[in-house]
Amino acid sequence: NAGVTQTPKFQVLKTGQSMTLQCAQDMNHEYMSWYRQDPGMGLRLIHYSVGAGITDQGEVPNGYNVSRSTTEDFPLRLLSAAPSQTSVYFCASSYHSDYYEQYFGPGTRLTVT
Amino acid sequence: ILNVEQSPQSLHVQEGDSTNFTCSFPSSNFYALHWYRWETAKSPEALFVMTLNGDEKKKGRISATLNTKEGYSYLYIKGSQPEDSATYLCAFSSGNTPLVFGKGTRLSVIA
Repeated sequence: NAGVTQTPKFQVLKTGQSMTLQCAQDMNHEYMSWYRQDPGMGLRLIHYSVGAGITDQGEVPNGYNVSRSTTEDFPLRLLSAAPSQTSVYFCASSYHSDYYEQYFGPGTRLTVT
Repeated sequence: ILNVEQSPQSLHVQEGDSTNFTCSFPSSNFYALHWYRWETAKSPEALFVMTLNGDEKKKGRISATLNTKEGYSYLYIKGSQPEDSATYLCAFSSGNTPLVFGKGTRLSVIA
């Protein structure tokens, strides 16, 4: 199993550009989520999905869109990048949000200039 | 938004010392408490998922206890080694909602 994969590993964007961060898992997990990690802020939830076709907002959803057309994939789209979105982004998956451990991808380091 | 507090924020210990840190969470609507280990430049990895009051879990030199009535969990590391240096995250679940993570305790073990 590859586990949770994320692409790209690094990205530099100019303000106003859009892009999609890819996340895929091959463990048949229903629950997937996106977090951002900023110094002193820990992990903050952006969006999550409890299954294909179902998504919901987390703590910091503004400026981001998600979709879940398949169980395996959960892309995160930045609509119009802003310097405040400079961060490290982690995708995670698990069988369920409550009792099962989450598996994290390797992260994407995004810089917006 | 549910509040999950971890203390201390950071900790420096000598190799061989034992240490512990705390995760505090709401004592109502408890479903599960997770602990993760997060090494620099890597991604978080699960240590424990705890669901029952009084639960104790152990993995090698690392163990955790859970008190759901008073809303806290302790993580213990016995005989700390440099490879234990990492940030330790706890996360709380109240059921059918996403996990809420604390900001972590950053442990540095000095050889």
